[in-house]
Amino acid sequence: GQNIDQPTEMTATEGAIVQINCTYQTSGFNGLFWYQQHAGEAPTFLSYNVLDGLEEKGRFSSFLSRSKGYSYLLLKELQMKDSASYLCAVMDSNYQLIWGAGTKLIIKP
Amino acid sequence: GAVVSQHPSWVICKSGTSVKIECRSLDFQATTMFWYRQFPKQSLMLMATSNEGSKATYEQGVEKDKFLINHASLTLSTLTVTSAHPEDSSFYICSAREEGAGDTDTQYFGPGTRLTVL
Repeated sequence: GQNIDQPTEMTATEGAIVQINCTYQTSGFNGLFWYQQHAGEAPTFLSYNVLDGLEEKGRFSSFLSRSKGYSYLLLKELQMKDSASYLCAVMDSNYQLIWGAGTKLIIKP
Repeated sequence: GAVVSQHPSWVICKSGTSVKIECRSLDFQATTMFWYRQFPKQSLMLMATSNEGSKATYEQGVEKDKFLINHASLTLSTLTVTSAHPEDSSFYICSAREEGAGDTDTQYFGPGTRLTVL
């Protein structure tokens, strides 16, 4: 079956770095997305990886290894506003999105 | 975990026809469901919030007469794209908020429906 795994919850300290992992098993692969969702709001797009390697966008970076079925989202210089849920989603061979359950990130002062 | 399904997974239709997309929460009840549209490699765009037993709430710029939403039961919401045109071609995703869940911010997403209008 198709499966996306990510931790349910993580806690980190303001100013620190946190890495949120995502592993996947899907029928085919057409890209991996990371979304940020604040409480009560729609998800917002963070990154899209389709080739192996690291994509950096400011304080956020996303890494993909297709051979390992693995991705991570790296958040640097954490701010209180980064407290949110982070969703990993993979587009399979049918261009369907397979969603992870999301990782709730709690930032402490 | 909670599962949300969508049907159909993909649909190709002629310009001018109407297309109905179903969103179902399979193992939980959802008072609130959301409909999104996703452009290639971009963010989800919230179209409307579907409330069971009442009218949907549409986001600014979304035509309510164009995108009809019906949330007839606690497990089913439908989106009908009326008189579809090529510019309506997109990836439509629904999500459902589990009723009574301790974390009210938890939304479960469907796999999406790819609409292509010729």
